[in-house]
Amino acid sequence: GENVEQHPSTLSVQEGDSAVIKCTYSDSASNYFPWYKQELGKRPQLIIDIRSNVGEKKDQRIAVTLNKTAKHFSLHITETQPEDSAVYFCAASKGSSNTGKLIFGQGTTLQVKP
Amino acid sequence: DADVTQTPRNRITKTGKRIMLECSQTKGHDRMYWYRQDPGLGLQLIYYSFDVKDINKGEISDGYSVSRQAQAKFSLSLESAIPNQTALYFCATSASGKSTDTQYFGPGTRLTVL
Repeated sequence: GENVEQHPSTLSVQEGDSAVIKCTYSDSASNYFPWYKQELGKRPQLIIDIRSNVGEKKDQRIAVTLNKTAKHFSLHITETQPEDSAVYFCAASKGSSNTGKLIFGQGTTLQVKP
Repeated sequence: DADVTQTPRNRITKTGKRIMLECSQTKGHDRMYWYRQDPGLGLQLIYYSFDVKDINKGEISDGYSVSRQAQAKFSLSLESAIPNQTALYFCATSASGKSTDTQYFGPGTRLTVL
């Protein structure tokens, strides 16, 4: 079945530095790739997503890149701030026109040191 | 997201007991999902439902059952709880349609089976 691998499992950066989290997926039919942020004790919340018809998407300090050939996508956070500290999950899906099921990566705990 | 609610928020039970976790949504979404979250394993899909008459197993359905009582309500049951079902459980919703892949999560239910 579909599998999503996420690296690293933990990431510590200094405030102001950039952070990059990488995911690979196994099912070439996947066409929707969201990223969720989960703060301690809270629910996962969507921060950015990308569809297979684009290679990059940006939203202020957050960007996601997608390489469909390599079946690889990444989350980039620039100018990190302490409030960026959280667990980040990537996911892959064949889209709502299919089952819409999300297959999640294992998560990355990001710590931003002031 | 206050539009997706879960009850109870915390539950401690004993091995062998029957437990029901409930999820309600006011988003008007037709699709609902139940996930389980364990440390280091991300979110794993237990069951999902596309409408009241459509229930599907996810990756880890053994030991669980669900009921979609109405479009807005989706319940998860553990018929005979066991300690390795101790986890954080999330309900999520989404709308069907090509550009509506986003899943919205409830606040979670922390279940402890002694």
